Amino acid sequence: GAGVSQSPRYKVAKRGQDVALRCDPISGHVSLFWYQQALGQGPEFLTYFQNEAQLDKSGLPSDRFFAERPEGSVSTLKIQRTQQEDSAVYLCASSGGTGNLNTGELFFGEGSRLTVL
Amino acid sequence: GESVGLHLPTLSVQEGDNSIINCAYSNSASDYFIWYKQESGKGPQFIIDIRSNMDKRQGQRVTVLLNKTVKHLSLQIAATQPGDSAVYFCAENSGGSNYKLTFGKGTLLTVNP
Repeated sequence: GAGVSQSPRYKVAKRGQDVALRCDPISGHVSLFWYQQALGQGPEFLTYFQNEAQLDKSGLPSDRFFAERPEGSVSTLKIQRTQQEDSAVYLCASSGGTGNLNTGELFFGEGSRLTVL
Repeated sequence: GESVGLHLPTLSVQEGDNSIINCAYSNSASDYFIWYKQESGKGPQFIIDIRSNMDKRQGQRVTVLLNKTVKHLSLQIAATQPGDSAVYFCAENSGGSNYKLTFGKGTLLTVNP
């Protein structure tokens, strides 16, 4: 498709389960970002990839969160042993530039809504 | 329900009126600012941006004003339409970062026909 695609759109997990969220960025986009958006809040930065390299993971809340982009295209955000506080919308964004906000507009996907029971 | 924990500032306007949405940013080192529109169930959509060497920028029906002295940003929407109803977020490049954005809490704009 023409935009950033995320799947699943909705995921319900029992506390303690592992989940994997997928992001298909716009074809050819070098930079990929994950943001977490809690209900009623603005998105918060999680991590940033340039091609396959994860250049910043400072926003990942704990070591239960792991992101990868092995071939520099599709990315997966994995959350192990989910907790109720992990419930949020996880947004993926991509940019054609090398992450430079001054040169490339960020395009966001529609997000994956995770509910942990 | 959905309203639990939802403490967004809200703005309600009549169709055809002008809307002004305000935002205070936190980091004086930030030098690039973006306004995003987010409709229910969708991701944020870019509206307009401004760099710190400017104090005003205009787009189609939208104007962004930047006051660096008081770290304040505003978005003006002319002739507001029902399709403008959404949550609006300001974002800053965190302390001058060239890739990381810090988003504000958002404002819910409701346009009454």
